Amino acid sequence: LAKTTQPISMDSYEGQEVNITCSHNNIATNDYITWYQQFPSQGPRFIIQGYKTKVTNEVASLFIPADRKSSTLSLPRVSLSDTAVYYCLVAPPLTDSWGKLQFGAGTQVVVTP
Amino acid sequence: GAVVSQHPSRVICKSGTSVKIECRSLDFQATTMFWYRQFPKQSLMLMATSNEGSKATYEQGVEKDKFLINHASLTLSTLTVTSAHPEDSSFYICSARDTGETEAFFGQGTRLTVV
Repeated sequence: LAKTTQPISMDSYEGQEVNITCSHNNIATNDYITWYQQFPSQGPRFIIQGYKTKVTNEVASLFIPADRKSSTLSLPRVSLSDTAVYYCLVAPPLTDSWGKLQFGAGTQVVVTP
Repeated sequence: GAVVSQHPSRVICKSGTSVKIECRSLDFQATTMFWYRQFPKQSLMLMATSNEGSKATYEQGVEKDKFLINHASLTLSTLTVTSAHPEDSSFYICSARDTGETEAFFGQGTRLTVV
């Protein structure tokens, strides 16, 4: 499974856009990029997943350059409730090993008023 | 999205006793479930892969005789922490994947405190 590298922490103010970049230099051809959010004492929650270019849903956007060696999670207009740890994971979906996720350190995002 | 439920959400037990944690997929069948452990301020660490109808596969360094996993049905996996010690106190989380889906769903976690 491809190793990922993210910043340890990021601080932001309410209403700002937060962009977290994840490096995954050894990403394989059939790997997808998935981001999870975790609040204290809760299990991770799926945010967004993509393979290439740009993916957008109601909570975030995911930007993936052509070489796929990195990806950027964009959280628009964050609020205090977005304070959490964000994990970037790379794995091949729809295979027997899918779901066997290796979590990195994650990025602690702190949003202040 | 699919729902994975864990029970109990928190448990306190005495040293030397055993504790069972249940993980259920509520609206889908999961032939494979995964168990993680998370210590304070640390990331999730995969402990084992639970396979319905067969033995679990444990990650290196995880004692299979201490962390017993049973996956008796397509919707239930259990993790039993045997002869618990204070160092087993942690946050245990399970996950499962619905066939054909590309995302894994996580339970809400179980906070185990051994006193």
